[in-house]
Amino acid sequence: GAVVSQHPSRVICKSGTSVKIECRSLDFQATTMFWYRQFPKQSLMLMATSNEGSKATYEQGVEKDKFLINHASLTLSTLTVTSAHPEDSSFYICSAFSGGANEQFFGPGTRLTVL
Amino acid sequence: AQSVTQLDSQVPVFEEAPVELRCNYSSSVSVYLFWYVQYPNQGLQLLLKYLSGSTLVKGINGFEAEFNKSQTSFHLRKPSVHISDTAEYFCALTVTGNQFYFGTGTSLTVIP
Repeated sequence: GAVVSQHPSRVICKSGTSVKIECRSLDFQATTMFWYRQFPKQSLMLMATSNEGSKATYEQGVEKDKFLINHASLTLSTLTVTSAHPEDSSFYICSAFSGGANEQFFGPGTRLTVL
Repeated sequence: AQSVTQLDSQVPVFEEAPVELRCNYSSSVSVYLFWYVQYPNQGLQLLLKYLSGSTLVKGINGFEAEFNKSQTSFHLRKPSVHISDTAEYFCALTVTGNQFYFGTGTSLTVIP
């Protein structure tokens, strides 16, 4: 099956720094990728839809200036958490839609801890 | 608008006993339904999906689910659980195949 990778898997940073998370579709092209955030013991909440070659679409309540999304190629989307604070600590998961398989594939997630 | 409701936040069950995890959905249009499993600090793994056709869907690890349109349900079942089934389970739906709506999850704990 199709594989989606995320890098890094874990990151710890100081408050005020920016962190970039990469999401890659390894064996298929994805014009659309999605970024989710998951708090402990809670469900996945869609943050934004990342469209290749165009601006991302953010869900209500998600600060686009804080969570910068870039989808520069058909296999890579990046999420940058700018000026991270402890409340941004969370599990971030990306997904990519494979038109060939007509299925959504999820990355393994990135655990962000902001001290 | 679409939504998914998982009625049970936690389900404890003894090893080798059967289990059912409940999922109900709401949508004014036809949907595709999914069950995912998540192990600690990992991403989502697809268990099974209903796209069309037979309402009884079989997935990996011995799980199955039945799509019931009249009751707008898609309950997940396994006749005999193992310790390794302990995980978080999410029901999800999509209309377009792109944007997914997730339930709040059910934590399954298998007791030895």
